Amino acid sequence: DVKVTQSSRYLVKRTGEKVFLECVQDMDHENMFWYRQDPGLGLRLIYFSYDVKMKEKGDIPEGYSVSREKKERFSLILESASTNQTSMYLCASSLGNTRTYGYTFGSGTRLTVV
Amino acid sequence: GDSVTQMEGPVTLSEEAFLTINCTYTATGYPSLFWYVQYPGEGLQLLLKATKADDKGSNKGFEATYRKETTSFHLEKGSVQVSDSAVYFCALSEGGKLIFGQGTELSVKP
Repeated sequence: DVKVTQSSRYLVKRTGEKVFLECVQDMDHENMFWYRQDPGLGLRLIYFSYDVKMKEKGDIPEGYSVSREKKERFSLILESASTNQTSMYLCASSLGNTRTYGYTFGSGTRLTVV
Repeated sequence: GDSVTQMEGPVTLSEEAFLTINCTYTATGYPSLFWYVQYPGEGLQLLLKATKADDKGSNKGFEATYRKETTSFHLEKGSVQVSDSAVYFCALSEGGKLIFGQGTELSVKP
């Protein structure tokens, strides 16, 4: 089975800190995605990547950046954490043909910024 | 752009009741359609999918049929269990991405 591993289940950070959320997949998927999930707002796409060193902005990229130096790893960076970035963060990956296989998700990282 | 609309929750049912969660979509092309399930504190898991009109996806007693004429992909289960309590997301494919509905929370009482 494809596994998508997010490095932390729970994280507490202080306002202004630089925060790194790591995501690793083990099945050679081309595509990787970062979403945040908030009550009443569903899943919102932050950034995605279709290849190594490639990134595209999603619907809510402000305050975030990403890095994809290796195919299996996609990192989400909060440059200066703020309380409104308290959320559940979900990483997902897919083969090139997303319409056939869909996504595989990680277990999520619940981030609290205090 | 493409979009997915799900019925609002929460949906509360008694064990062994029949479940329907409505999902309709708007798309310019011919997307694939998916249902994902999220158990408390976890990520989303693929429940079932359909890649073309009239296809029926099924898994773990859940079913959904891709209806192009009504642009719908309603999720059904004949007899729910307490363990089915979760949030259910409908999604469609757009290019290399998935577009998700808002999610519908299901609570099943014994």
